[in-house]
Amino acid sequence: DIQMTQSPSSLSASVGDRVTITCRASQVISTYLNWYQQRPGKAPNLLIYAASRFQSGVPSRFSGSGSGTDFTLTISSLQPEDFATYYCQQTYSTPLTFGGGTKVEI
Amino acid sequence: QVQLQESGPGLVKPSQTLSLTCNVSGGSISSGGHYWTWIRHHPGKGLEWIGYIYYSGKTYYNPSLKSRSTISMDTSKNQFSLDLSSVTAADTALYYCARAPADSSGYRYFDYWGQGTLVTVSS
Repeated sequence: DIQMTQSPSSLSASVGDRVTITCRASQVISTYLNWYQQRPGKAPNLLIYAASRFQSGVPSRFSGSGSGTDFTLTISSLQPEDFATYYCQQTYSTPLTFGGGTKVEI
Repeated sequence: QVQLQESGPGLVKPSQTLSLTCNVSGGSISSGGHYWTWIRHHPGKGLEWIGYIYYSGKTYYNPSLKSRSTISMDTSKNQFSLDLSSVTAADTALYYCARAPADSSGYRYFDYWGQGTLVTVSS
């Protein structure tokens, strides 16, 4: 199985901050990497797929980059509704696997 | 707008079979290229992909659960289901159904999710 490691596991930030979350795959996965946001009590919501492609309706302050084994999700200016947990996911091979999550707190 | 809704018992006894159904509205599960998916989230832990069924009926499972999992479709009801046999407390989780488009370039991503249903395994 491909292991996905996110860092940090949690972070504290303020509204307006630039936030970067990293995700590392245990082997090369090209750009088969997705990012999801999960707010408390809600299902995950797709933000980015194929490492850098925007899902329809996602605010432009979210961006993704990377290929191979190292990926980043960047929130350019943190908004109050962005305080949530973020997960990366690889879909290069089955079983599809997720990172452990990064909780973004105030 | 596609909507997914999970249903099933919230409490299952150890060694029994957990059975969940995902009702899909706003689109047909048998038309177009989509993978209909089950994912679970253990309390305090990460997300785990259980498996999915392609619109053609072909299934793909997580090897860690394959021997106990069955995903099936009922096109007449526009729903798909998960059966997980011989459950233990370790199967206690929030279970989600989701949809993944069959992107022509091979990318998979879950663009629509149900709200999730909590299943507790306990006697």
